[in-house]
Amino acid sequence: SAVISQKPSRDICQRGTSLTIQCQVDSQVTMMFWYRQQPGQSLTLIATANQGSEATYESGFVIDKFPISRPNLTFSTLTVSNMSPEDSSIYLCSVGEDRGLADTQYFGPGTRLTVL
Amino acid sequence: GIQVEQSPPDLILQEGANSTLRCNFSDSVNNLQWFHQNPWGQLINLFYIPSGTKQNGRLSATTVATERYSLLYISSSQTTDSGVYFCAVTHTGGFKTIFGAGTRLFVKA
Repeated sequence: SAVISQKPSRDICQRGTSLTIQCQVDSQVTMMFWYRQQPGQSLTLIATANQGSEATYESGFVIDKFPISRPNLTFSTLTVSNMSPEDSSIYLCSVGEDRGLADTQYFGPGTRLTVL
Repeated sequence: GIQVEQSPPDLILQEGANSTLRCNFSDSVNNLQWFHQNPWGQLINLFYIPSGTKQNGRLSATTVATERYSLLYISSSQTTDSGVYFCAVTHTGGFKTIFGAGTRLFVKA
């Protein structure tokens, strides 16, 4: 199974600033996924990040607000830009097993973001 | 898109009791997973079970793909089983995993 780490584990940020979250995987994977979990809610897919191409965003999420980088097969970053209190959530990085397809899926420990 | 419904939304058990959690989905899937999110927020993959039955200790799961539902059984529940249980599916032909709303379980000592 893949081992995923995220940095930072938590942060408290001021309104209007940006935060970049890092996701590191211990093996090469084709696709990485970024999810958001708002307080008391389920997980919502933000975007799918493929190495060497632009991320694919889900409805309701845009690149200007959540720019994503995927410089290689083991690393990705998600930036939460121009933050507001509504962005307070847990942000999770995920990868799939089996050539990067979402068969068995593994999650990082998450980044708990609070925006004041 | 595919819809995933979980029931019950909340469940309180006395330690030692058994329970069944249900997941219904609206379309064919090529992947179904059950996750446990502990009180600290960590998501643990319990089962990858697009069809059939699997068992792991006190937990077992059954997916009947033709009838579009899956069940998670917890036997002899323990306080450490508390948390949120999510069902997540991938639509046939797709690669995105969609989560249900979850079942929030609290096991009392």
